[in-house]
Amino acid sequence: DIVMTQAPLSVSVTPGESASISCRSSKSLLHSNGITYVYWYLQKPGKSPQLLIYRMSNLASGVPDRFSGSGSETDFTLKISRVEAEDVGIYYCGQLLENPYTFGAGTKLELK
Amino acid sequence: EVQLVESGGGLVQPGRSLKLSCLASGFTFSNYGMNWIRQAPGKGLEWVASISSSSSYIYYADTVKGRFTISRDNAKNTLYLQMTSLRSEDTALYYCTTVAVWGQGVMVTVSS
Repeated sequence: DIVMTQAPLSVSVTPGESASISCRSSKSLLHSNGITYVYWYLQKPGKSPQLLIYRMSNLASGVPDRFSGSGSETDFTLKISRVEAEDVGIYYCGQLLENPYTFGAGTKLELK
Repeated sequence: EVQLVESGGGLVQPGRSLKLSCLASGFTFSNYGMNWIRQAPGKGLEWVASISSSSSYIYYADTVKGRFTISRDNAKNTLYLQMTSLRSEDTALYYCTTVAVWGQGVMVTVSS
């Protein structure tokens, strides 16, 4: 199974500042079709996960452009610029390249 | 509005069975692969099972293989998860998802 390792496990950010979350996969997530199958989700307190970024760098519909995704075949970054109160929650990276789909342990974002 | 609504959860004794349903609306259900992903209380996301749009391809996590069955009825816009031989470790909030769209989740508690 592909292991997804996130860092840090928690981050405290001043509103208006930026934050970055890292995710590393144990295997390349680059498919032969040229697509990298890493996804980023935010789970706000008491809510279902919501898709932020799909296929490494594509912004999901309705997601503010303060969020961006980047990376290589095995190392990925979610960047949040100008953090707002509504960004609080747990961020998960996940690989949807192959079954079993696997997720990182999550990164909890709090406000200072 | 794109929506997934799960139902069928509850409290069940170990060894018993339960069937979850997920009703889709607002999109062409028959065009999408579907998944069940679960989240144990206070824990992260765990993929359970996937089914392709026409049910040709089905995959299970090793932890549920042989006990759970995923299926769908495209005429009824509904996804199912038949769970048998339930164990305490199956206790979780079960989400129905296209991976982009998530339901609100349905709680399954396995306890005597």
